[in-house]
Amino acid sequence: NAGVTQTPKFRVLKTGQSMTLLCAQDMNHEYMYWYRQDPGMGLRLIHYSVGEGTTAKGEVPDGYNVSRLKKQNFLLGLESAAPSQTSVYFCASSYLYEQYFGPGTRLTVT
Amino acid sequence: QKEVEQDPGPLSVPEGAIVSLNCTYSNSAFQYFMWYRQYSRKGPELLMYTYSSGNKEDGRFTAQVDKSSKYISLFIRDSQPSDSATYLCAMINLIQGAQKLVFGQGTRLTINP
Repeated sequence: NAGVTQTPKFRVLKTGQSMTLLCAQDMNHEYMYWYRQDPGMGLRLIHYSVGEGTTAKGEVPDGYNVSRLKKQNFLLGLESAAPSQTSVYFCASSYLYEQYFGPGTRLTVT
Repeated sequence: QKEVEQDPGPLSVPEGAIVSLNCTYSNSAFQYFMWYRQYSRKGPELLMYTYSSGNKEDGRFTAQVDKSSKYISLFIRDSQPSDSATYLCAMINLIQGAQKLVFGQGTRLTINP
């Protein structure tokens, strides 16, 4: 039982490049989330999903897109990366109120 | 003004001390109150959560919620070096959607041997 896994762990992008972050969970959770964590800002919700095929915007959705084609996977895409998107990205999943987090992806945009 | 305010610290105490971590909030609709622990370069993990006002104890940890003052606390008794981490408070507003957590900024705690 791996819980929540994230791929990749680290990535460096140049401004304007695109990439996709993959989140996978093996707990059969309906709910999945993407957060970003920046110094002094805590965790901020980017997008979330309440089930396969559904997505919704969180607090800071601009510049990101998501897809939930399979229940166990939640993808976060950056179409045209900007330096302001340098951050640590965490995926989480939940059945009810307890959210289980992945280990994070450290993204640097130069 | 942020919905949830948390002193970022850092907070440094000697081993064995009682630690008090606190958050204030402005949205009276919050109903579930949680504390997450995050070790360096790891994802957050849930320590404990409480519903509405009152206390909840789990080993050396006690969570306290005072809804009248919009104030929550986490107490750590007999603190250990392994408790050194960042502690994040988080809250859920069931009206907005059952699963949307709002986090405080996190308090970085160091327990010195």
